[in-house]
Amino acid sequence: QVQLVQSGAEVKKPGDSVKVSCKASGYTFSGSPIHWMRQAPGQGLEWMAWIDAGNGDTRYSPKFQGRVTITRDTSASTAYMELSSLTSEDTALYYCARVTSVSATFEMWGQGTMVTVSS
Amino acid sequence: DIVMTQTPLSSPVTLGQPASISCRSSQSLVHSDGNTYLSWLQQRPGQPPRLLIYKISNRFSGVPDRFSGSGAGTDFTLKISRVEAEDVGIYYCTQATHFPRTFGQGTKVEIK
Repeated sequence: QVQLVQSGAEVKKPGDSVKVSCKASGYTFSGSPIHWMRQAPGQGLEWMAWIDAGNGDTRYSPKFQGRVTITRDTSASTAYMELSSLTSEDTALYYCARVTSVSATFEMWGQGTMVTVSS
Repeated sequence: DIVMTQTPLSSPVTLGQPASISCRSSQSLVHSDGNTYLSWLQQRPGQPPRLLIYKISNRFSGVPDRFSGSGAGTDFTLKISRVEAEDVGIYYCTQATHFPRTFGQGTKVEIK
């Protein structure tokens, strides 16, 4: 079945960078975009960026432009989200999700990766 | 950015009774291709979100038929015909018509 499995929780210091992975299985990885969202503790969802897993094209939310980089490794069916210059406000659960052309929305979500930024 | 406003923010419901959530967008969500990219997500406690409805009214695979979506333009509604215990959680509307994608602030459905 379609599945997205994300890397484990991270604890970082202010100013650090973090890289979260999202491994896909159960479908052709290059056939669907992967999107990244985050959810601060007790808060709602915030869209960050997406990558065309086929050709590698990316698009970033203006809020995160310059600080987030999305990449993918088609041989490993894995997408990556790297966020730099971390502050305590980046403490959140980070999710990847698969979008298909049928629904044009988030059909399958990873389990989430908790990133904690603390000095 | 498109602002998505949900009401109510909290909805205490009796088991077996209906529930309704409204979502209003700050601009029309009709895309130039004619589609309206408004969908609904459910997030149960401690879980990632799950897709319920896409393009206003299409139920995603495996979603019970007690969930239905309706609306047009800037006003949309998610209805649960008879709330069950497993429906407890936070419901989000989200739009993909305009860049960047945005979400409503969420509506918490709980049992009275």
